Amino acid sequence: KNQVEQSPQSLIILEGKNCTLQCNYTVSPFSNLRWYKQDTGRGPVSLTIMTFSENTKSNGRYTATLDADTKQSSLHITASQLSDSASYICVVSGSGNTGKLIFGQGTTLQVKP
Amino acid sequence: KAGVTQTPRYLIKTRGQQVTLSCSPISGHRSVSWYQQTPGQGLQFLFEYFSETQRNKGNFPGRFSGRQFSNSRSEMNVSTLELGDSALYLCASSLVGQITDTQYFGPGTRLTVL
Repeated sequence: KNQVEQSPQSLIILEGKNCTLQCNYTVSPFSNLRWYKQDTGRGPVSLTIMTFSENTKSNGRYTATLDADTKQSSLHITASQLSDSASYICVVSGSGNTGKLIFGQGTTLQVKP
Repeated sequence: KAGVTQTPRYLIKTRGQQVTLSCSPISGHRSVSWYQQTPGQGLQFLFEYFSETQRNKGNFPGRFSGRQFSNSRSEMNVSTLELGDSALYLCASSLVGQITDTQYFGPGTRLTVL
């Protein structure tokens, strides 16, 4: 069964600290993996998209890594800010277009001053 | 460039009624996808439309349907509403829905079924 699992479910860190969110998937065949940030009450915003041939991609203070062999991805947030407080969702596509994306349950991050 | 817009933003219905949600994609985007988001299930894919044709469909009952117009605007219809249909319904648009296309989400429509 195609699944995407994220850990931890929730996380609280102090402003300025770094953190890493994990995503494990069993989707096959694999086309790409996306990380989204969703603020409360708003739609998700794309952070990164990686295909199987890419193993790292950055977007400002966000760096995503992908290990297609172990089917694991991580999202590293550097020097966290209060505005990073959000839900981070890992999404895997097993087909050639945006159809049938498989979503993880998300990690809720709270950054405290 | 205007973002993805969804109307209405909030909706309250009773069981057995039907509802139609609307999504206007970013200008030039031809792929529109719909998702249901609930606290228990997270985000789940409903269907994707491209050039007025449903290209992909998730695992939802036939009560959930949609369509896309020639201007790429899309509507989603849910008939015979059930309590479990209460959710945030999100639509997302992308250029042509290819694997490397960035999807842009709208703010969602919050549907409450009483």
